[in-house]
Amino acid sequence: GQQVMQIPQYQHVQEGEDFTTYCNSSTTLSNIQWYKQRPGGHPVFLIQLVKSGEVKKQKRLTFQFGEAKKNSSLHITATQTTDVGTYFCAGYVDNFGNEKLTFGTGTRLTIIP
Amino acid sequence: SQTIHQWPATLVQPVGSPLSLECTVEGTSNPNLYWYRQAAGRGLQLLFYSVGIGQISSEVPQNLSASRPQDRQFILSSKKLLLSDSGFYLCAWSVYGYGYTFGSGTRLTVV
Repeated sequence: GQQVMQIPQYQHVQEGEDFTTYCNSSTTLSNIQWYKQRPGGHPVFLIQLVKSGEVKKQKRLTFQFGEAKKNSSLHITATQTTDVGTYFCAGYVDNFGNEKLTFGTGTRLTIIP
Repeated sequence: SQTIHQWPATLVQPVGSPLSLECTVEGTSNPNLYWYRQAAGRGLQLLFYSVGIGQISSEVPQNLSASRPQDRQFILSSKKLLLSDSGFYLCAWSVYGYGYTFGSGTRLTVV
């Protein structure tokens, strides 16, 4: 079955440093979504990318969808303590009528003040 | 606006006892509904999803079951809980092609 892997599994960064998590799918994705889960909380939808090579920005966060639509990345510039949490990518397999996302394995980000 | 309600927030149940977790959605019609489980520090495991009343797809064959008696109500059940059923249970809704909205979750501890 389809697998969506994320690396790294854990990342500890000094506050102010940049952070990047990578998402790789074994199959082509029709779109890619990103979620953030704060410690003790539930996942919250951040953004969706649909087009090959698409890049979107939300303040300090930059999201990219690969040309082959099989990988994606999330880059955070100058991390802050509020960025702490686990970041999940998720995608629909590129076939019509698929009603469920496949979530990545997640990257847990901790910030050293 | 759309909202999703999930309760209870925490639950401690003895092994062998039954379970019923309820999730309701407001402000949307015919949503896709999902039950996920998350072990501590781990990823999201899809348990069940439903695209309509009475339509349930099971992803993980276990001692859990799900039902959708009404369009915006999704129930997760078990007749006899196991220790391995402990975890963080999350309900979510979506429309195909859009982001999922998760409920606040239920932390279940089976003792």
